Amino acid sequence: QVQFQVSGPGLVKPSGTLSLTCAVSGGSITTTNWWTWVRQVPGKGLEWIGEIHHSGNANYNPSLKSRVTISVDKSKNQFSLKLNSVIAADTAMYYCARIYCNNTACHTIDYWGQGTLVTVSS
Amino acid sequence: QTVVTQEPSLTVSPGGTVTLTCASSTGAVTGDNHPNWFQRKPGQAPRALIYSTNNKHPWTPARFSGSLLGVKAALTLSGVQPEDEAEYYCLLYFGGLYVFGTGTEVTVL
Repeated sequence: QVQFQVSGPGLVKPSGTLSLTCAVSGGSITTTNWWTWVRQVPGKGLEWIGEIHHSGNANYNPSLKSRVTISVDKSKNQFSLKLNSVIAADTAMYYCARIYCNNTACHTIDYWGQGTLVTVSS
Repeated sequence: QTVVTQEPSLTVSPGGTVTLTCASSTGAVTGDNHPNWFQRKPGQAPRALIYSTNNKHPWTPARFSGSLLGVKAALTLSGVQPEDEAEYYCLLYFGGLYVFGTGTEVTVL
């Protein structure tokens, strides 16, 4: 079973950069699957941030695209999130997860990490 | 900007049936949107329930089912249990972009 371990600061200053890394265990990152970040602002709904494939191809939520970079490190079996110019509204629980894909299509976000709370505050 | 809308809240009696829906601002939801449904309880990560409209994960209880209902995706809970009280989110795919629904809070009362 795929599992995730997220690392990164739980507190980021306004205008700074939020950086999180998600280490994947129980399976290789170099498969047909994609890997994704999702967040939930307290009291609000889930928001898809973006996704990445081990090839380096990535897609982002248009509302965050100008500030987000998702990257992959195949040698460490992990992927990372960087969100620039953060504001208080970026305070959220951040989840990393797997998007299950076969050779024809991507179907679901099946395995999720436990989530890490990142607070933006001075 | 694409908006995916769900009922804000629904209440159901134990043993009853409730249907949640998921609508897209871009038009009818189809199989090409690969509708997914997730359950989220406080303090827990979302749990996948349904994928590609009506497919269940190995861990999905039999009482959960997915479908297309007119122009919307739908999640039906039959024989509702107290532990089904949670938030439910749909997820739609729009060609390189995923959008979560606004979420439905289901109360079992």
